[in-house]
Amino acid sequence: EPEVTQTPSHQVTQMGQEVILRCVPISNHLYFYWYRQILGQKVEFLVSFYNNEISEKSEIFDDQFSVERPDGSNFTLKIRSTKLEDSAMYFCASSEFRQMVAFGSGTRLTVV
Amino acid sequence: GQQLNQSPQSMFIQEGEDVSMNCTSSSIFNTWLWYKQDPGEGPVLLIALYKAGELTSNGRLTAQFGITRKDSFLNISASIPSDVGIYFCAGPTLGGTYKYIFGTGTRLKVLA
Repeated sequence: EPEVTQTPSHQVTQMGQEVILRCVPISNHLYFYWYRQILGQKVEFLVSFYNNEISEKSEIFDDQFSVERPDGSNFTLKIRSTKLEDSAMYFCASSEFRQMVAFGSGTRLTVV
Repeated sequence: GQQLNQSPQSMFIQEGEDVSMNCTSSSIFNTWLWYKQDPGEGPVLLIALYKAGELTSNGRLTAQFGITRKDSFLNISASIPSDVGIYFCAGPTLGGTYKYIFGTGTRLKVLA
């Protein structure tokens, strides 16, 4: 069964460093999303992406965040200058239509 | 803004028992999604509901889209140990946006 894949599964970075989280959505899906989940809390929307542009973003998704679809298969989330409070699980998701279907297994980001 | 509240927050049940949990909002949703999250994993879609009053089953799971469109219920029959996890409801924000919000979660623990 097709699935959303995310790499790396765990990343540790120094505060102030840039990180890029990578995702390969399901191939025929058109809508892409990034969510995050701080440990023990609920899943929070960051950004949605459709037709090569951001459709919507939350207040969390400030200028330090950016997304890109550099080629036909990858979808990336870049955090420019990481802060301690950016430590969380980051989930990529994709859907064929607006109804969200598939999540990746996440990247655990630890900022030290 | 729109919020989804889930109850109960957590529950312990005996293996074989039926489980019921719900998700409520002060505003209307036109789609309800139920996800299960295992520790360290991404949410996995269990059931999607698209019409008020809709009742949908997936094996031992049954979910209903409330008539008022402000609530949804998830029932698990004859629980087994692998049902352990956190169950989230989710729905798209109004206005045809791509942003989905998640509920606060119900943590289920099954005692063998």
